Amino acid sequence: EAGVAQSPRYKIIEKRQSVAFWCNPISGHATLYWYQQILGQGPKLLIQFQNNGVVDDSQLPKDRFSAERLKGVDSTLKIQPAKLEDSAVYLCASSSGRRGWVYEQYFGPGTRLTVT
Amino acid sequence: AQKITQTQPGMFVQEKEAVTLDCTYDTSDPSYGLFWYKQPSSGEMIFLIYQGSYDQQNATEGRYSLNFQKARKSANLVISASQLGDSAMYFCAMREGRDGANSKLTFGKGITLSVRP
Repeated sequence: EAGVAQSPRYKIIEKRQSVAFWCNPISGHATLYWYQQILGQGPKLLIQFQNNGVVDDSQLPKDRFSAERLKGVDSTLKIQPAKLEDSAVYLCASSSGRRGWVYEQYFGPGTRLTVT
Repeated sequence: AQKITQTQPGMFVQEKEAVTLDCTYDTSDPSYGLFWYKQPSSGEMIFLIYQGSYDQQNATEGRYSLNFQKARKSANLVISASQLGDSAMYFCAMREGRDGANSKLTFGKGITLSVRP
């Protein structure tokens, strides 16, 4: 079974530029998550999709961040314009399997963003 | 108040010995789940073990076990027979609510574990 795919793996941009990240979840997984992980901290949820609908985007800075999940499969996360404090690893995860009601999340390798 | 607290500094353990990584949590929801993830230097988060709030027994998965003390709100991870490949960051996380598919994970700050040969 293929895992969660993300691209690019690394991105360096200047502040005020825009950037987009792509995620392809595990086949059949209805739930998709985007997390931001700043160096030295745990991941923080930015947005959660159930199929192509948003379940939780309470921590997404909507003035500069946007995300979509067309057709309930792939997803893109965009930052426009980027700030220095957006430097972080952006992790995509998906979930659908059941072990009781565990719903463990499977993570992709992440995209490391550096804003200069 | 932080929902997940991991306060240990970097941990060191000798190869083949056991190590305990501490995690305390805070919630008023009677239904919740606790997770441990491993993050090696490659960056991806690897699911290790899960404990539900209503589970009667401590969870075990191979060399990993979870010491769940509900009254103390602690969910410590025990790794037995440490291996060099266990060197990584370890994160404790919690999901609140019964509807697992639609509940986000809240992560702690993580603990760095280094295994010495």
